[in-house]
Amino acid sequence: DTAVSQTPKYLVTQMGNDKSIKCEQNLGHDTMYWYKQDSKKFLKIMFSYNNKELIINETVPNRFSPKSPDKAHLNLHINSLELGDSAVYFCASSQYGTTDTQYFGPGTRLTVL
Amino acid sequence: AQSVTQLGSHVSVSEGALVLLRCNYSSSVPPYLFWYVQYPNQGLQLLLKYTSAATLVKGINGFEAEFKKSETSFHLTKPSAHMSDAAEYFCAVSEYNNNDMRFGAGTRLTVKP
Repeated sequence: DTAVSQTPKYLVTQMGNDKSIKCEQNLGHDTMYWYKQDSKKFLKIMFSYNNKELIINETVPNRFSPKSPDKAHLNLHINSLELGDSAVYFCASSQYGTTDTQYFGPGTRLTVL
Repeated sequence: AQSVTQLGSHVSVSEGALVLLRCNYSSSVPPYLFWYVQYPNQGLQLLLKYTSAATLVKGINGFEAEFKKSETSFHLTKPSAHMSDAAEYFCAVSEYNNNDMRFGAGTRLTVKP
């Protein structure tokens, strides 16, 4: 059973398009995250949601909009895609207020042409 | 804000040799510290974590790390490298449980036959 799943695994699109990445976790966690990993493997947090409420919102362009329909899902919508958005995007989940780890999904490789 | 610095973006060892990956942290409160491993084209997997219990932490695959407050370090070691250890390794720090976790830039470990 996949704990944290993301779709799609690969996403190739043209500049200016709008795209979404979906994330689902079946661990019963109440907190979910989006990270961006650039070509140099640097991993940076973008957003964090706890019980569907945004609790971390790093300096990310407004073109990125997370949406959490319920505790088990956190989707990432990106408007007007730019070349610099090309990266691997990871979703993760954890239980807030514990010392348990964050569990990561397999990643979505986004390529903007 | 908390941060980590990983010394050495690339470490190369021979199979059977000692593995030492360095991580120094900065935190205004007692930190929680983590080591993650990322195999090619995969998500991040937790190796081990320090959450203010024992300073010597043992993880999976024979890895361990020692928390040294005086040196603000949390170096990762393994007595004998195996070819399967070749991967990217990330150190991470969190000041309040694991909700806001910040990653280092990563260290790529290469294991030579």
